[in-house]
Amino acid sequence: EADIYQTPRYLVIGTGKKITLECSQTMGHDKMYWYQQDPGMELHLIHYSYGVNSTEKGDLSSESTVSRIRTEHFPLTLESARPSHTSQYLCASSDGTEAFFGQGTRLTVV
Amino acid sequence: ELKVEQNPLFLSMQEGKNYTIYCNYSTTSDRLYWYRQDPGKSLESLFVLLSNGAVKQEGRLMASLDTKARLSTLHITAAVHDLSATYFCAVEGRYGGATNKLIFGTGTLLAVQP
Repeated sequence: EADIYQTPRYLVIGTGKKITLECSQTMGHDKMYWYQQDPGMELHLIHYSYGVNSTEKGDLSSESTVSRIRTEHFPLTLESARPSHTSQYLCASSDGTEAFFGQGTRLTVV
Repeated sequence: ELKVEQNPLFLSMQEGKNYTIYCNYSTTSDRLYWYRQDPGKSLESLFVLLSNGAVKQEGRLMASLDTKARLSTLHITAAVHDLSATYFCAVEGRYGGATNKLIFGTGTLLAVQP
């Protein structure tokens, strides 16, 4: 059973608001990832981290930012939400052998 | 740049039939993953393939890896309706130094018809 948690599961928010999507894992994994996925579509890597204070942008340009101050925590922040940010956001962590996913956050910006 | 391609993108098959999903990737990889995703859900890990020639089986699904051809297959035997889902392969590729990124294929939507 994977111990990786995302909150909130669902979020509806107005345009221009600042939001933070939380992702935490208790497995001590160094590698963590954020993916964006529209319904029925592929996963796009938007951010990844291979350890504390180490973050990189993924292949899909994103207006979000991330931080990795603690091993177990990898939050994603949108400073000013827009309707184009409406999507599902999936967080994953890996020990280099297997990658586990959280339940996802379904974000709707109105 | 690491690219991962799956085919087919959509597969409609009858119960009891066999079929194979293909996953091709563009650079040297440390490992390859197969995931299942049900509508509106997160991803469930199916297989992790770590070396050339690796074969893993779970129920009606069998995955294999050929690192020389940069190809993995997911074979479905005697499909049942419960296997209907989207299947993704993902590759952890090493390039630009020690950095590994986990990149996903386009996904294959499998619909098993009674």
